[in-house]
Amino acid sequence: QKEVEQNSGPLSVPEGAIASLNCTYSDRVSQSFFWYRQYSGKSPELIMSIYSNGDKEDGRFTAQLNKASQYVSLLIRDSQPSDSATYLCAVGNAGNMLTFGGGTRLMVKP
Amino acid sequence: GAGVSQSPRYKVAKRGQDVALRCDPISGHVSLFWYQQALGQGPEFLTYFQNEAQLDKSGLPSDRFFAERPEGSVSTLKIQRTQQEDSAVYLCASSLRSGRNTGELFFGEGSRLTVL
Repeated sequence: QKEVEQNSGPLSVPEGAIASLNCTYSDRVSQSFFWYRQYSGKSPELIMSIYSNGDKEDGRFTAQLNKASQYVSLLIRDSQPSDSATYLCAVGNAGNMLTFGGGTRLMVKP
Repeated sequence: GAGVSQSPRYKVAKRGQDVALRCDPISGHVSLFWYQQALGQGPEFLTYFQNEAQLDKSGLPSDRFFAERPEGSVSTLKIQRTQQEDSAVYLCASSLRSGRNTGELFFGEGSRLTVL
């Protein structure tokens, strides 16, 4: 079992809808949680970080963390075709190592 | 430079050849990571440096892989006697901080290695 699990998708949503991306992790002592976006042929770029339980909002993006359930999610409101990419969930431990999930491919259709 | 710079961007090697991949992180960034990304998969951790110290090399797949960062800035990932399974994109990332905020990484564009 991988340490960080994501549905590979593709997740297809219409333009303007809410896209919901989910991630589960196995290490209970994980301390930091990140969402990276990776366009095809490009490198990952950080879009959200979250460190404590609850919601964190940044523009159209909301990250949600539930440590008891070992679950982290990313909501994208008013999805745009430019949001079409692979979204990587990453989990950090105390030893600085960041473990990535396999990514979920999101397709936003005009 | 403004971002993380990696070279070469593309490398084709014959099986058995040695390769060296270079990473120039953002100036002043303490932490430097190497990741390996196979097609359609997420990045897999290889090794981590804090300044010049290699604090974690648990992800290096074999003793053919070696990384260094002698002056705490530029890093080189060396792969000896390359095999076909080494074909992947090698990503370098740096972070200003250490500790739990280390995960706020800035990635380079990657070096795509193809072993024939």
